Amino acid sequence: QSALTQPPSASGSPGQSVTISCSGTSSDVGGYNYVSWYQHHPGKAPKLMIYDVTKRPSGVPDRFSGSKSGNTASLTVSGLQAEDEAHYYCSSYAGKTYHYVFGTGTKVTVL
Amino acid sequence: QEQLQESGPGLVEPSGTLSLTCGVSGDSVSWWSWVRQPPGKGLEWIGEISQTGSTNYNPSLRRRLTISADRAKGHFSLRLISVTAADTAVYYCARGFSKKWDYWGQGILVTVSS
Repeated sequence: QSALTQPPSASGSPGQSVTISCSGTSSDVGGYNYVSWYQHHPGKAPKLMIYDVTKRPSGVPDRFSGSKSGNTASLTVSGLQAEDEAHYYCSSYAGKTYHYVFGTGTKVTVL
Repeated sequence: QEQLQESGPGLVEPSGTLSLTCGVSGDSVSWWSWVRQPPGKGLEWIGEISQTGSTNYNPSLRRRLTISADRAKGHFSLRLISVTAADTAVYYCARGFSKKWDYWGQGILVTVSS
């Protein structure tokens, strides 16, 4: 099972929006509504930002939103803030053989 | 609020066995997972164990991997045999709940080197 494909980097100025794609197949992203997104600052624990494609855990700002179309999921960060600068990883359930697969990761830079 | 903490040796010799433990606090009905991140690379799901002891493993690691749990002691463990430099990574334990990981440990760097 290959890793999900994400762009290596994305950037935006404070207040702008950035969208990160996460491309998979019909065996993972396209086959299940179990896509989640994690924010990862170096040296810290990853943080759950979005789950079940579109849901936000309690405490995550509504500036973060998720969506999916076919085999590609997306994370949008609106109103970029300096603290949003981090690596972001998508993950998807991939069935009973491979179980879970992560994306390749995207470094978001706030200019 | 779940709290997780990884512990174990930070250095393992090539062909040796990597053993880590994750201490868990709080009561929950969940799956407990291990995830790793090699230096400069992305996250990789390793495997998981349920409250009843059922396990699921990454097929690429299955023949070398054992995940176990000791509920009385409040921890679950990872054992990876025949390690190589490719197993050098930061290892995270995490709580899995409904196909997502909502609580994570801080991670522990394990280096495979002689």
